Parts: sequence; C-alpha cells; structure tokens
Amino acid sequence: SAVISQKPSRDICQRGTSLTIQCQVDSQVTMMFWYRQQPGQSLTLIATANQGSEATYESGFVIDKFPISRPNLTFSTLTVSNMSPEDSSIYLCSADSPNTGELFFGEGSRLTVL
Amino acid sequence: GENVEQHPSTLSVQEGDSAVIKCTYSDSASNYFPWYKQELGKRPQLIIDIRSNVGEKKDQRIAVTLNKTAKHFSLHITETQPEDSAVYFCAARGFGNEKLTFGTGTRLTIIP
Repeated sequence: SAVISQKPSRDICQRGTSLTIQCQVDSQVTMMFWYRQQPGQSLTLIATANQGSEATYESGFVIDKFPISRPNLTFSTLTVSNMSPEDSSIYLCSADSPNTGELFFGEGSRLTVL
Repeated sequence: GENVEQHPSTLSVQEGDSAVIKCTYSDSASNYFPWYKQELGKRPQLIIDIRSNVGEKKDQRIAVTLNKTAKHFSLHITETQPEDSAVYFCAARGFGNEKLTFGTGTRLTIIP
C-alpha cells in the first residue's frame, strides 16, 4: 500500500491569502487526486493531478482558484488562492495503487479561513 | 457523469446486531465499487471493495453485495462492535475512468 504524507496538517489563514498544500507519496504512482471534504460532508473531487501536464479539473473548480502542480510521480501540490471563509475545509490528497487500483488518502489538511 | 446515492444518512444499531448500508449508481459502465470507513478526524480508509465480475465478497464481519442489473451495491456488517462506529462512504468508478465518485456517507453509531 502507498503511504501518503500531507502538510500542513492544519492551518488558520487570513482572508485573501493563498496557501499551498504539499503531498508526498512513498512510491511512484500514476494517478494523484485532490479532494475537498467540507465539515460533515462527503468527498468532492477537485482535480486529477497529471504528471507533466495540466491538471484536469471537475465542474465547479478552476485552475485560477486551485492551481495544482505535479512535477514527478511521487509529489503534488494544491494551492488554495485568494481564500475566503467558504474555503474552510479539509483538503485530501489521494493516489491510486498501481497494482490494485485502490485509492489511498493522505491525512488531510484542515484549513480555517478567518 | 457518475452519480452515487447512499442511504441511510444515519444509522444506529445495538451492539451485536447487523448494519446494512445501500448505494445506487447511475453509470452502467462502472466496474469498481469500494467502501471506505472514516473515523472522526481521520483519513478515509478502504475496508472492502468489489468488482463488477463478482456478486458478493466477504471479509470476516464485513460483506459487500453487488447487483449490476439494478445498479446497486450494499455493505453488510455483522456482529457490530463499538469500534465500527464511524462514517462509511461508498464509491463507484467507471471502466476507463480513473476517478472515484463518492456517496454522501452514512454515520453509523453502535449502541453498547
């Protein structure tokens, strides 16, 4: 199984600022994804982080607000730009096991925007 | 795109009784159906999954059944224990589609 590390684990941010979340996988993976989980809610896919090309965003999410990098097969970043209180949420990095297709999650980054 | 519905949203059962959570999906091409357990403040963790070429899969007290014709699948937990209390999410993934679509979640509470 893949081990996924995320940082920061939590942060309190001021309105209008941006924060970058880092995600490191302990093995090379093909697919990496970023999810958002608002309090008491399900997991909503923000985008698929593609290695060497632009991320693929889901409906309702745009690159200007959530720029994503994927420089190699083990690392990705998600930036939450120009934050507002509505962006307060848990952001989860995930990756597919290349052998089983199982989706593993990082511990999540809990952002609070004041 | 895929749409996954999950019921019930909350479920309380007496310790030792069984719990059943049901999900339906919309895309008939979906072929992979995992179930995740999320404890408070923790990451979701896979507890069991099933692929479309199998009708049922069991792992100790946990089982999943799949009805492709009706496009629904269910999680069954027998002999429930307090540590089974958590939020459970079903999900579905289509053939040739790498992303998972999650259900809305079920908060399961085991009453001692």
